[in-house]
Amino acid sequence: DGGITQSPKYLFRKEGQNVTLSCEQNLNHDAMYWYRQDPGQGLRLIYYSQIVNDFQKGDIAEGYSVSREKKESFPLTVTSAQKNPTAFYLCASRPESTVRGGYTFGSGTRLTVV
Amino acid sequence: AQTVTQSQPEMSVQEAETVTLSCTYDTSESDYYLFWYKQPPSRQMILVIRQEAYKQQNATENRFSVNFQKAAKSFSLKISDSQLGDAAMYFCAYRMHTGANSKLTFGKGITLSVRP
Repeated sequence: DGGITQSPKYLFRKEGQNVTLSCEQNLNHDAMYWYRQDPGQGLRLIYYSQIVNDFQKGDIAEGYSVSREKKESFPLTVTSAQKNPTAFYLCASRPESTVRGGYTFGSGTRLTVV
Repeated sequence: AQTVTQSQPEMSVQEAETVTLSCTYDTSESDYYLFWYKQPPSRQMILVIRQEAYKQQNATENRFSVNFQKAAKSFSLKISDSQLGDAAMYFCAYRMHTGANSKLTFGKGITLSVRP
């Protein structure tokens, strides 16, 4: 079945370390997105990519980095510059070729700084 | 910039009753999409309903319907015959119509509880 796989489901990071969250999709979707979810804050856009080898900053990109070397993959790195990285991270994808194309979400990664 | 506002952080409804969740948004665009997403305790995002701004008719999906007031920039979700499985967090979201800027903007969400 087609879908989005996020891994790991839970991730623990020591302060000062970089960590990378994986997002893989086999839906042949063009666009991919990373959202951060905090209690009472809804979902906020970190980065998005509409095509391979191109990506744009979202509303809260500071302290994060991404790459889009393959259509299927859009990993998110949480760097040591991110001051408060503990949150729930959601990856999503969408086909750009159809205007009405809906979003598919992964099941998320819970990142905790210890 | 587009913004989405959900002013009620929590709501409660009796099983089998009807509940309405409110959402307002701000945009200068005339063509866009509006969505309601459900996030149960599993935290998987599930699309509940979608409304295209150029359509005057309100969208419906079984027990879920919307009241779309374009001039007032209001987009409320009505859940009829509430079920225990409806208990979840609900997010209102906006997207521009054109594919060049297809990111979703979410409200802060509302937690809906269903009393048996």
